[in-house]
Amino acid sequence: DTGVSQDPRHKITKRGQNVTFRCDPISEHNRLYWYRQTLGQGPEFLTYFQNEAQLEKSRLLSDRFSAERPKGSFSTLEIQRTEQGDSAMYLCASSLEVAEAFFGQGTRLTVV
Amino acid sequence: AQSVTQLDSQVPVFEEAPVELRCNYSSSVSVYLFWYVQYPNQGLQLLLKYLSGSTLVKGINGFEAEFNKSQTSFHLRKPSVHISDTAEYFCAVSEQRGYSTLTFGKGTMLLVSP
Repeated sequence: DTGVSQDPRHKITKRGQNVTFRCDPISEHNRLYWYRQTLGQGPEFLTYFQNEAQLEKSRLLSDRFSAERPKGSFSTLEIQRTEQGDSAMYLCASSLEVAEAFFGQGTRLTVV
Repeated sequence: AQSVTQLDSQVPVFEEAPVELRCNYSSSVSVYLFWYVQYPNQGLQLLLKYLSGSTLVKGINGFEAEFNKSQTSFHLRKPSVHISDTAEYFCAVSEQRGYSTLTFGKGTMLLVSP
């Protein structure tokens, strides 16, 4: 097991384009989380899945953001019509129990 | 809702000196507490966690933290730091419920110099 894997590690896109990120959690973990981290800040919660069900979404997750976990394994986070304010590190985490989340290395998005 | 305050944005320290990184939290319900470390352009790695029991928690790389419920604090300490400890440290809290998301502080940059 190689831990939580995120792809791509870096993405540069033009404003207005759509982007999609992928997260592969640790294989036996049924809980998956997405966070966003901007420069100089701690990560902020975006959304949470238990198996394939999306159980919680933050108010930070505007209508341009959508996340899926179709078979309860990997997850995708799509941002439509990107804006410069979307530039951030997007972190995925997974857990088996409530108390310990394991993070991936993140996808750094730059919107130009 | 919970919140986490990390009082110091940067802590400079010399190698082999002791260090304390401060963390205070606010919550109306019982919580779990965590410290994570982040190296440049990397994800977060769990240093230690407090779930219940002994208020002194030992983690990886020689770090420890003490939960103080009356002061709503969870300060991180190391008796002797190394250059390799230079990184960003995040304190986080989650509610004690069936599942819970993490609320992070803004982080403290630990700068260890020779």
